[in-house]
Amino acid sequence: EAQVTQNPRYLITVTGKKLTVTCSQNMNHEYMSWYRQDPGLGLRQIYYSMNVEVTDKGDVPEGYKVSRKEKRNFPLILESPSPNQTSLYFCASSFLGDNREGYTFGSGTRLTVV
Amino acid sequence: AQSVSQHNHHVILSEAASLELGCNYSYGGTVNLFWYVQYPGQHLQLLLKYFSEDPLVKGIKGFEAEFIKSKFSFNLRKPSVQWSDTAEYFCAVISGGGADGLTFGKGTHLIIQP
Repeated sequence: EAQVTQNPRYLITVTGKKLTVTCSQNMNHEYMSWYRQDPGLGLRQIYYSMNVEVTDKGDVPEGYKVSRKEKRNFPLILESPSPNQTSLYFCASSFLGDNREGYTFGSGTRLTVV
Repeated sequence: AQSVSQHNHHVILSEAASLELGCNYSYGGTVNLFWYVQYPGQHLQLLLKYFSEDPLVKGIKGFEAEFIKSKFSFNLRKPSVQWSDTAEYFCAVISGGGADGLTFGKGTHLIIQP
């Protein structure tokens, strides 16, 4: 089954404790992206990647890092999480240059930073 | 940078009422347009998409949307809503080759009362 898999689904952590949210897709998509969803703000792009070793900042990159060492994986790293990073995070992927199918989204990771 | 405006943040309707959710985008060039739905506790699912074909697009679950280029609009419609349509609805746009990713509106929270 074609899908984007995120882990974990739920995470509660303390301020300053480094964490990684994993994202993996099995569709051979070049393009992968991370969004955060906050009430009243919709989804905002954090980082995106157009291919292996090619990443770029989205609209709200502060406090986040990403890496793209393999085509299928695109982990989101919070080196020193803060409470304002409490949010619902979605990973998405698509073919680059062909948007006819839109994006495929993961199931989301609900992060709480206390 | 492009932007997407959804005019109604919260909509409450009774079952069998007709629905129209407004969406306007700012980009003047070639765009691909999407409506996504997010049921409570779930990830985003594609409802319908527009790709320079018939401006009236039909999607899943009886939804449709009309692309009006002169008005930069892509409004979502359904003739008769059901209680199961209660969800959050997001309009989104990709411009050009899509490298910048999807830009989302802030979402419309739709509640259908039985």
